[in-house]
Amino acid sequence: AQKITQTQPGMFVQEKEAVTLDCTYDTSDPSYGLFWYKQPSSGEMIFLIYQGSYDQQNATEGRYSLNFQKARKSANLVISASQLGDSAMYFCAMSPNYNSNSGYALNFGKGTSLLVTP
Amino acid sequence: ETGVTQTPRHLVMGMTNKKSLKCEQHLGHNAMYWYKQSAKKPLELMFVYSLEERVENNSVPSRFSPECPNSSHLFLHLHTLQPEDSALYLCASSQDRATEAFFGQGTRLTVV
Repeated sequence: AQKITQTQPGMFVQEKEAVTLDCTYDTSDPSYGLFWYKQPSSGEMIFLIYQGSYDQQNATEGRYSLNFQKARKSANLVISASQLGDSAMYFCAMSPNYNSNSGYALNFGKGTSLLVTP
Repeated sequence: ETGVTQTPRHLVMGMTNKKSLKCEQHLGHNAMYWYKQSAKKPLELMFVYSLEERVENNSVPSRFSPECPNSSHLFLHLHTLQPEDSALYLCASSQDRATEAFFGQGTRLTVV
């Protein structure tokens, strides 16, 4: 079974500063994917960034980067140059390679609420 | 049009009502999912459809009944719900070997 842990229920960051959101995971699968999603108050889950377990380099996507440390089983999200619009819930999620029982279903952490202040 | 569309966005229903949630994806994906998001809990996978066949039923009560008439549409039929079923219900779709699932905006359900 896979488990995702996000230990920070809430975080504050000042506009234009960088912030790191923590995520650790536990799995016995040899191959898996790690994801970060953003959920604003409107409810929609917005995909931010993906890291494959065999990827050699850390994923980057604009202001988002994923600090992937496989041996420590951590996949922290780094947001650089925070903007007011970044205020939202952030979820770390994990998916195995295709599973005949659950397809590509994601397992989610409990989320971290990020508030960006002026 | 957005990739995954859910209707309605908000729904209030009594415990004796019957209602349905609708999800439509325009991405050509072959797998669709229903997730439930309750306050202060991680998203919970409810149902998975792959190639229009249900492949996962995650111990969901029978008062929730999914239907996938084709690869683009997914329904969640609701009947005799309980107040604790109030939550945000999210639909998602993905494609084989895809790197991410795409989510709809969700239906916020309140059972009174």
